Amino acid sequence: EVQLVESGGDLVQPGGSLRLSCVASGLNINTYYMSWIRQAPGKGLEWVAHIRPDGYTTYYVDAAKGRFYISRDDAANSVYLQLNSLRTEDTAIYYCSTGTVHWGQGILVTVSS
Amino acid sequence: DVVLTQSPLSLPVTLGQPASISCKSSQSLVYNDGNNYLSWFQQRPGQSPRRLFYKVSTRDSGVPDRFSSSGSVTDFTLKISRVEAEDVGIYYCMQHSHWPHTFGQGTTLEI
Repeated sequence: EVQLVESGGDLVQPGGSLRLSCVASGLNINTYYMSWIRQAPGKGLEWVAHIRPDGYTTYYVDAAKGRFYISRDDAANSVYLQLNSLRTEDTAIYYCSTGTVHWGQGILVTVSS
Repeated sequence: DVVLTQSPLSLPVTLGQPASISCKSSQSLVYNDGNNYLSWFQQRPGQSPRRLFYKVSTRDSGVPDRFSSSGSVTDFTLKISRVEAEDVGIYYCMQHSHWPHTFGQGTTLEI
């Protein structure tokens, strides 16, 4: 059974930082695009970032550019999202996904003073 | 950015009756390889999204055949032939022909 498990979510003040982690089991992520997608409370889905299997090619939604950084460690079967300069509007459940095929359960990031 | 407009946003249905959701794109979703990279997702209450279809009409494993998807270029439709209680939730279309990948607003299907 494929599982993606996110961790690292927390309550943080505006301007703060967090690092989200996602570890996969039941599959090797090395051939997958890995993505982070978020959902603000009571709202729809928003693609945040993804990283190609080469580990170098990354894409970010405009709201994330310059603040968020996606990375992967295929040896650890994991993908990460570094969140910097957090804003209240970044409050959301963050989902890790293997190119939308498999999804984690999500992790809550709350940005509030 | 590509805007996906779903309609209706709320869809009350009767068990056993059909249902249909439209997704219209502000731009053509035909990619360089000729494919339309349009997917549909179901999000049941309290759960993570689950992909139902990719490349418009390719059904994911385990998706009941009462679900179907069609369309091309800018107009796409998800259909349920006979709604069951487990189909309650929010349905999203998503495109990944263009960056940034974008989702529709979601359609809430309720019994």
